[in-house]
Amino acid sequence: DQQVKQNSPSLSVQEGRISILNCDYTNSMFDYFLWYKKYPAEGPTFLISISSIKDKNEDGRFTVFLNKSAKHLSLHIVPSQPGDSAVYFCAASESGRGSTLGRLYFGRGTQLTVWP
Amino acid sequence: ETGVTQSPTHLIKTRGQQVTLRCSSQSGHNTVSWYQQALGQGPQFIFQYYREEENGRGNFPPRFSGLQFPNYSSELNVNALELDDSALYLCASSGGGVSSYEQYFGPGTRLTVT
Repeated sequence: DQQVKQNSPSLSVQEGRISILNCDYTNSMFDYFLWYKKYPAEGPTFLISISSIKDKNEDGRFTVFLNKSAKHLSLHIVPSQPGDSAVYFCAASESGRGSTLGRLYFGRGTQLTVWP
Repeated sequence: ETGVTQSPTHLIKTRGQQVTLRCSSQSGHNTVSWYQQALGQGPQFIFQYYREEENGRGNFPPRFSGLQFPNYSSELNVNALELDDSALYLCASSGGGVSSYEQYFGPGTRLTVT
């Protein structure tokens, strides 16, 4: 059962424009969310995270928004650059009793292509 | 600071054989997690080790086993390999406690079972 879902397998954006990648989750116990970027033949690279006590976190060109009532988060990249072309994974974790602290549940990923 | 390393990079095995994959965690990290990423899927949690003890396990059969050593490096062992075990195996290290949410991945080992 997929607890983290990325319903768009691919996204194509022109350089300089905004890229918005979406992620939904079903487990209300998730309280920490992360985005990873993955290039071919490499492991996922940590990009940005957000705790459930916040609704927004920014780091340079990357901003993550969390809507807990909708169980939805999004990653905004502004402005998009060709080097951002990669697969982006959304991941979630829970800290409650009985959970494995730090166990990550991943979506299937969205392939972002930024064209010049 | 040394990142997470994994060996080997690629491996081809025959169904029924056994395989050992290795991971060196990032300096200062004491927790190692292993994930399996099948083609077109996101990484799936296999298990986690914290201070040499298994600290949680995903929905994988007992033929998937692991070890963590005093220097926090780790091994993933898979017995009686099946064709469906063909995947990218990722190791991730983290610092334990709250910071264990942020896991740092190695480049992975690509396992092909024929």
